Amino acid sequence: KAGVTQTPRYLIKTRGQQVTLSCSPISGHRSVSWYQQTPGQGLQFLFEYFSETQRNKGNFPGRFSGRQFSNSRSEMNVSTLELGDSALYLCASSQGTTGTEAFFGQGTRLTVV
Amino acid sequence: QKEVEQNSGPLSVPEGAIASLNCTYSDRGSQSFFWYRQYSGKSPELIMFIYSNGDKEDGRFTAQLNKASQYVSLLIRDSQPSDSATYLCAVNPSWGKLQFGAGTQVVVTP
Repeated sequence: KAGVTQTPRYLIKTRGQQVTLSCSPISGHRSVSWYQQTPGQGLQFLFEYFSETQRNKGNFPGRFSGRQFSNSRSEMNVSTLELGDSALYLCASSQGTTGTEAFFGQGTRLTVV
Repeated sequence: QKEVEQNSGPLSVPEGAIASLNCTYSDRGSQSFFWYRQYSGKSPELIMFIYSNGDKEDGRFTAQLNKASQYVSLLIRDSQPSDSATYLCAVNPSWGKLQFGAGTQVVVTP
């Protein structure tokens, strides 16, 4: 059974640009959630999608957005990149109901220069 | 007050000994509780998941949950050098959201 796949693995972008990250969940999983991990702030929740609907959102500015497609694949977009957006971006896949496990992908390492 | 608290460590454990990790959380509505292991430069790997009060054992790992005390712990028996990593406690306070502690670094010494 394939795991959670995130692409690309590494990205270098310039301040002011925008970026799109992709996440393919485990087959049969309908929930995809996104997290930002930095040395200073740890793992922070960005948002979660379930059956193409955003069900939950963290405390990030509107520059961070996402969507989910009918096949459960999800994308995250960051516009007007800032240096502080440099981080490891992780997505987690789950069945989306209470009492189910969440599995992470390998992450996308974003560097903003 | 942080919503999920863990001792940052490092927790130094002799090889073959038991490592004991603790986590407290503030949101009483949390339903599910997770322990992830993260090696440096890698993504978190799920090692234990618990949602009922009591103990849950899986191989060398035992998770303990006490919802009344808002406390969850992880025991690693017969610690091996390969267990050296950061252990992240996570709780599920609402749909699809995991709230993480800062992590406890475990160092297993031969």
